Amino acid sequence: AQTVTQSQPEMSVQEAETVTLSCTYDTSESNYYLFWYKQPPSRQMILVIRQEAYKQQNATENRFSVNFQKAAKSFSLKISDSQLGDTAMYFCAFMKHAVNNDMRFGAGTRLTVKP
Amino acid sequence: NAGVTQTPKFRILKIGQSMTLQCTQDMNHNYMYWYRQDPGMGLKLIYYSVGAGITDKGEVPNGYNVSRSTTEDFPLRLELAAPSQTSVYFCASNTDSLNTEAFFGQGTRLTVV
Repeated sequence: AQTVTQSQPEMSVQEAETVTLSCTYDTSESNYYLFWYKQPPSRQMILVIRQEAYKQQNATENRFSVNFQKAAKSFSLKISDSQLGDTAMYFCAFMKHAVNNDMRFGAGTRLTVKP
Repeated sequence: NAGVTQTPKFRILKIGQSMTLQCTQDMNHNYMYWYRQDPGMGLKLIYYSVGAGITDKGEVPNGYNVSRSTTEDFPLRLELAAPSQTSVYFCASNTDSLNTEAFFGQGTRLTVV
């Protein structure tokens, strides 16, 4: 079974600075998808970014980018120019290729952006 | 632009009571899911459905039942509530295109006392 590990329960960063959240996963699959979801205090789960394992290029979405290291099974999220609205829980998630029903989540990292 | 709607947002149940958590989506998604989120943990899949009339168990199905009579609705039923079912419950949906991201409701916080 696939497992997703987020080793940082809590992190903080000063507004306008850069922070990196870590995620590692364990799988024997060669083709899969990785996601970062944001959960603000409203509890809404919001997709931040996704990465397809067969793509070598790291995904980027505005201030959010990932460092995908397939051999190391690592998928970190970098948030640049942190904003107060980035304060939230961040979840890393793994999905096997062609299996929509099986998304596995990490335990989450609580990020606080300080003014 | 409703997306995935869950009701209620909060509920307190006594041990042994039953209730249904409602979930509806207006995006014509075939795939729907129920997750639970325990404190300090990620989401765990309870049940899922790949279309009307089809449901299957996820990782933690014990103590729950679901039905899927329409594409839009996917209610989750707790028959005999137990304190171990105290959690936040999320409903989600996505299309049947491969590996698309899921859209989530805002969650239901359930406390069983």
